[in-house]
Amino acid sequence: DAMVIQNPRYQVTQFGKPVTLSCSQTLNHNVMYWYQQKSSQAPKLLFHYYDKDFNNEADTPDNFQSRRPNTSFCFLDIRSPGLGDAAMYLCATSRDKGGWNNEQFFGPGTRLTVL
Amino acid sequence: GESVGLHLPTLSVQEGDNSIINCAYSNSASDYFIWYKQESGKGPQFIIDIRSNMDKRQGQRVTVLLNKTVKHLSLQIAATQPGDSAVYFCAEREYGNKLVFGAGTILRVKS
Repeated sequence: DAMVIQNPRYQVTQFGKPVTLSCSQTLNHNVMYWYQQKSSQAPKLLFHYYDKDFNNEADTPDNFQSRRPNTSFCFLDIRSPGLGDAAMYLCATSRDKGGWNNEQFFGPGTRLTVL
Repeated sequence: GESVGLHLPTLSVQEGDNSIINCAYSNSASDYFIWYKQESGKGPQFIIDIRSNMDKRQGQRVTVLLNKTVKHLSLQIAATQPGDSAVYFCAEREYGNKLVFGAGTILRVKS
């Protein structure tokens, strides 16, 4: 089945220690998104890639970066995780942007704990 | 339209009853709205969507109503089942394909 896969599902890191979360998709979608979801809150968009074009949200901290080496994979890098970065990180994909029938498909998420 | 807050509203319904979950959105320019269901430890799952030129859309056991005058969206679930227990988020689409999520509502189904 075509899907969005996130690894690992659970990640523990230490305060200030860089961490990378990964996302892959078998849908061959053009757009990949990263969302942060804190406990009991809604997902919040961090950034997205439209093909190789990176689009950062204005309020996304510089501590968060992303790489998309090919269509299938996208990575979220947190350079110096703080306690406030503990959250669920959700990857999503969509076939395109705008128009219709561009539903976003979400992966299961990676829960990040910062010690 | 950012979502804030530590306590999500909760709707408790008896199994077999109908559920109505409400959502207020913020951007009158949003052209597309989606309801997502999120179970514990999982990513959001698409339920139903509606375009801004519609006021009602029906799916299997679910209906979405859109009132653009008051920027209100609702999700109706018919004959609610225990498997419907989850957090429900509405989302509005802004420029490009950016989704802005509402605060979320916890649905608890009592057997």
